Amino acid sequence: GDSVTQMEGPVTLSEEAFLTINCTYTATGYPSLFWYVQYPGEGLQLLLKATKADDKGSNKGFEATYRKETTSFHLEKGSVQVSDSAVYFCALSEKTGRRALTFGSGTRLQVQP
Amino acid sequence: EAGVTQSPTHLIKTRGQQATLRCSPISGHTSVYWYQQALGLGLQFLLWYDEGEERNRGNFPPRFSGRQFPNYSSELNVNALELEDSALYLCAGTGEEIYNSPLHFGNGTRLTVT
Repeated sequence: GDSVTQMEGPVTLSEEAFLTINCTYTATGYPSLFWYVQYPGEGLQLLLKATKADDKGSNKGFEATYRKETTSFHLEKGSVQVSDSAVYFCALSEKTGRRALTFGSGTRLQVQP
Repeated sequence: EAGVTQSPTHLIKTRGQQATLRCSPISGHTSVYWYQQALGLGLQFLLWYDEGEERNRGNFPPRFSGRQFPNYSSELNVNALELEDSALYLCAGTGEEIYNSPLHFGNGTRLTVT
């Protein structure tokens, strides 16, 4: 079945540091890939998405590129801020079949001033 | 526009009891998804309702069930509660195919089984 594997956290960085959160996936077809973010006390919200190979999703300075050859969708940001502290979830959705998001276990990011 | 609302915020039950959790999606969203977020396990897919019908379910026992009402709100029922059912239950809605559009999540119901 489908699965998503994320690097374990917490990831602790200083403000303005470079961020990478690794995500790899297993899927039978050609899924869409997503990053969702959960800020403290809030529900999950979509951060960015990519629906086909080599697509790059971007939002709020975050980027992720859909790499079919390595089945990866790593999240990056060039300069993190304290306000980026949150839990980040990588997810996939097949375009047919079950059509439910499969999530990774989440990576907690803590950014220190 | 009101967001996805879930009630109650917290629920404490005893093992063997039943729990009922409620969700109202954003107006116009006809699909509702339920997820369980247990500590350290990420989000596990529970149920998907669309246009009042159950379309799919995750790998959970039949004591997890639910329904969707004509106004697209939804209810999750958990019978014969077990200690390991303690988790945050998240509801999410969408009006489009999820492979190309975001799911809009509520803040969840924290269920504690003692």
